[in-house]
Amino acid sequence: EPEVTQTPSHQVTQMGQEVILRCVPISNHLYFYWYRQILGQKVEFLVSFYNNEISEKSEIFDDQFSVERPDGSNFTLKIRSTKLEDSAMYFCASNRDRGRETQYFGPGTRLLVL
Amino acid sequence: SQQGEEDPQALSIQEGENATMNCSYKTSINNLQWYRQNSGRGLVHLILIRSNEREKHSGRLRVTLDTSKKSSSLLITASRAADTASYFCAPVDISNFGNEKLTFGTGTRLTIIP
Repeated sequence: EPEVTQTPSHQVTQMGQEVILRCVPISNHLYFYWYRQILGQKVEFLVSFYNNEISEKSEIFDDQFSVERPDGSNFTLKIRSTKLEDSAMYFCASNRDRGRETQYFGPGTRLLVL
Repeated sequence: SQQGEEDPQALSIQEGENATMNCSYKTSINNLQWYRQNSGRGLVHLILIRSNEREKHSGRLRVTLDTSKKSSSLLITASRAADTASYFCAPVDISNFGNEKLTFGTGTRLTIIP
């Protein structure tokens, strides 16, 4: 069964550094999402992406964040200058048809900002 | 999309017993999705039930939906140790524009006692 994959599984970075989290959505999916989960807290929506542009973003998704689909398979989340509070698990998800269909989640990237 | 409220917050049962958890939501939905999250791992989709469906089965899982009461339930029969996880519901509204994010609550923490 096709899966959403994410790399790396773990990333440790220094505060102020840039990080790029990578995702490969399921190949015939058209809608892509990033969520995050701070340890012990709820899973929170960050951004949704369709047709090479952001469809919706949350208040968390400020100017330090950006997303890109650089080619036909990858979907990336960039944090330009990481803060301690960016430490979290970041999940990528994809689906075929907006809210009408299941979102399939990747295994996550655990980001630790020191 | 709106957040579902799962109940109970925590549930401990003996292996082999059935586990039932409930979800309530506030406004009309297109569908409702159930997910499982093992500790520190990604979200695994379990079942999507549409607003015109009343019951759906998948293996040992049975989901019901009562749109008049704005509630859903997830039943896991013949529980196993591997079912130990947090379970989340995600009610999905359909708006005219944009992709549909999922909004997660705090979930039901299910512990299966061997």
